[in-house]
Amino acid sequence: DGGITQSPKYLFRKEGQNVTLSCEQNLNHDAMYWYRQDPGQGLRLIYYSQIVNDFQKGDIAEGYSVSREKKESFPLTVTSAQKNPTAFYLCASNQQGAWGYTFGSGTRLTVV
Amino acid sequence: GESVGLHLPTLSVQEGDNSIINCAYSNSASDYFIWYKQESGKGPQFIIDIRSNMDKRQGQRVTVLLNKTVKHLSLQIAATQPGDSAVYFCAENGGGGGNKLTFGTGTQLKVEL
Repeated sequence: DGGITQSPKYLFRKEGQNVTLSCEQNLNHDAMYWYRQDPGQGLRLIYYSQIVNDFQKGDIAEGYSVSREKKESFPLTVTSAQKNPTAFYLCASNQQGAWGYTFGSGTRLTVV
Repeated sequence: GESVGLHLPTLSVQEGDNSIINCAYSNSASDYFIWYKQESGKGPQFIIDIRSNMDKRQGQRVTVLLNKTVKHLSLQIAATQPGDSAVYFCAENGGGGGNKLTFGTGTQLKVEL
């Protein structure tokens, strides 16, 4: 079945550490996105990529980094520069020219 | 800046009743709108979408209404069931280039037995 897979489902990070969240899709979608979700707030865009080897900052890119070396993969690294990383992170993808996103099941990151 | 917002953070309905979830948008250039359902701890799931050249679109038990005059979007769920309990988001495309969506805050729908 085609879909988008995020791993791990739960992730704990010590302060000062970098962590990488995985996002893989087998939908052959061109575009991929990372969103952050906090309680009582909407989804906020961190980074997005419309083609391989290219990506753009979203609204809250500070403290995060991404790569898009393969069409299927769009990993997100939460760096130590991100001061408040505890949140639910959602990855999404869609085909160019289509608006509807397919979302992954999310990764809940907690700083301990 | 432009934003998408929801009128009610929490909506409680009795099982079997109809639910109406509202959304106000401010970007007049938006020409595509989507409703998503998000269950606790899961990613959002597509429910229904509508383009700005339409006023109404129906799906299975769901209807989306678009009023461009007052920039208002609503999601109607008929015969609400316990499985409908979730957070519902509206999203708009902003009418600009790229495929980015702007999401609203969300409304928590609670179905009471």
